[in-house]
Amino acid sequence: DTAVSQTPKYLVTQMGNDKSIKCEQNLGHDTMYWYKQDSKKFLKIMFSYNNKELIINETVPNRFSPKSPDKAHLNLHINSLELGDSAVYFCASSQGGLAGGTPQFFGPGTRLTVL
Amino acid sequence: GENVEQHPSTLSVQEGDSAVIKCTYSDSASNYFPWYKQELGKRPQLIIDIRSNVGEKKDQRIAVTLNKTAKHFSLHITETQPEDSAVYFCAAMKYSSASKIIFGSGTRLSIRP
Repeated sequence: DTAVSQTPKYLVTQMGNDKSIKCEQNLGHDTMYWYKQDSKKFLKIMFSYNNKELIINETVPNRFSPKSPDKAHLNLHINSLELGDSAVYFCASSQGGLAGGTPQFFGPGTRLTVL
Repeated sequence: GENVEQHPSTLSVQEGDSAVIKCTYSDSASNYFPWYKQELGKRPQLIIDIRSNVGEKKDQRIAVTLNKTAKHFSLHITETQPEDSAVYFCAAMKYSSASKIIFGSGTRLSIRP
């Protein structure tokens, strides 16, 4: 199936731990994104990569570090997890993020719970 | 920076009636406006989009209208059905060297049987 996939779907961990979320897309898109959706359902962009290069880096703590080994993958590593990091994290991809407005396709989300 | 305001935050309509969700944006250079539907526990999915060179676009029961002068755009759902119940997000984007989509705060639509 052509899609954006994320792992894991659920992540429960203790405060202070380090965790990673993986994202892969097989749509052939050149731009990938990470979004955070809080309990009020507000969708906020965190990072965007175009062809493995960081192009958007919103005001997020430097405990969050994205890594893009190739244009089909964008992983998110989070150090020293805090209670406020609990949210659903969505990966997304689109084609031509630099050239113009095109639809973004979202992954299924990773529900992160920090205890 | 771009700001997108979305109203109402919640909307309840009788099955078969129409639903309208409105959004305003601040950056007059924005030229791409997608709408996403997010069902409970699922991912946001694109349902319709419109570009600034078009004033209206329709896809079966869903239509979007754009007023560039007033900087607002609306989603219209006609003949609503139970499966239309979801959270709907509008968004605005402009082409630039670091294009990003700014989402509205969402509208929770409930269809009453």
